[in-house]
Amino acid sequence: DQQVKQNSPSLSVQEGRISILNCDYTNSMFDYFLWYKKYPAEGPTFLISISSIKDKNEDGRFTVFLNKSAKHLSLHIVPSQPGDSAVYFCAASTGTASKLTFGTGTRLQVTL
Amino acid sequence: DTAVSQTPKYLVTQMGNDKSIKCEQNLGHDTMYWYKQDSKKFLKIMFSYNNKELIINETVPNRFSPKSPDKAHLNLHINSLELGDSAVYFCASSQAIANNSPLHFGNGTRLTVT
Repeated sequence: DQQVKQNSPSLSVQEGRISILNCDYTNSMFDYFLWYKKYPAEGPTFLISISSIKDKNEDGRFTVFLNKSAKHLSLHIVPSQPGDSAVYFCAASTGTASKLTFGTGTRLQVTL
Repeated sequence: DTAVSQTPKYLVTQMGNDKSIKCEQNLGHDTMYWYKQDSKKFLKIMFSYNNKELIINETVPNRFSPKSPDKAHLNLHINSLELGDSAVYFCASSQAIANNSPLHFGNGTRLTVT
C-alpha cells in the first residue's frame, strides 16, 4: 500500500537545464508535503516543503508545485548544478510531522 | 559538531544475536524518530518519541525496543536478530511534532544480519 509514489527511479539532466521531479499520492488526508535530498552514505536532508493550502512554494533555485485535484506534486530545480546530483525523496504527512510517509526516491544525475 | 549522530555506522552480526544502535542529537529538539530503509529503498517510520514519551509505534515486531533516557538520546535495541532485519536504520529529530518542523536525519546505520 504505497501512498506516496515516485514513478521515475532516475533522471538525467544537463547542467544549467531544469530538473523536474514528480511525486503522486493517494491519501487525500495528506496536508503537508516535503522534499528531501540524499547523498550516498548520508541521511536525507530537508530541502523544501509546501502546505496543502498553497499550490507553490519557492526557495532559490527550488520550487515545489502542488496540484491537489490531481494528487500530484513536483519539484523544479532551475538551473540544475552538478552538486544537485542525489536521490530526492518526496514525503507527506497528515497534521503532524511525527509520521512521514516517503516515496522510494528519484536519483537525479546532473551532467556537464 | 554533528547534529544527529548515530553509532555504529556499520553493524554485521549473526542471526539470533542482540544488538543496539545509539542515537544522539545536539539540536535541542523535543522529538526523535527511528526510520528503516529496506532493500527496496522504502523509508518507513518505526518509532517516534516526544519529550521521552513514545507517540508512534508502527507495526514493528516487539523484538525492537526503543529507549529514550533523555530528550537528546534515542537508542534502538534489537533482540534475536533475523535476516529480514537487514536494512539501513536512520535516526532523526525535529524541533516539534508540528507539520512545519522538518526532520533532521543521522547518516544511518547499515545492519547486515548473516
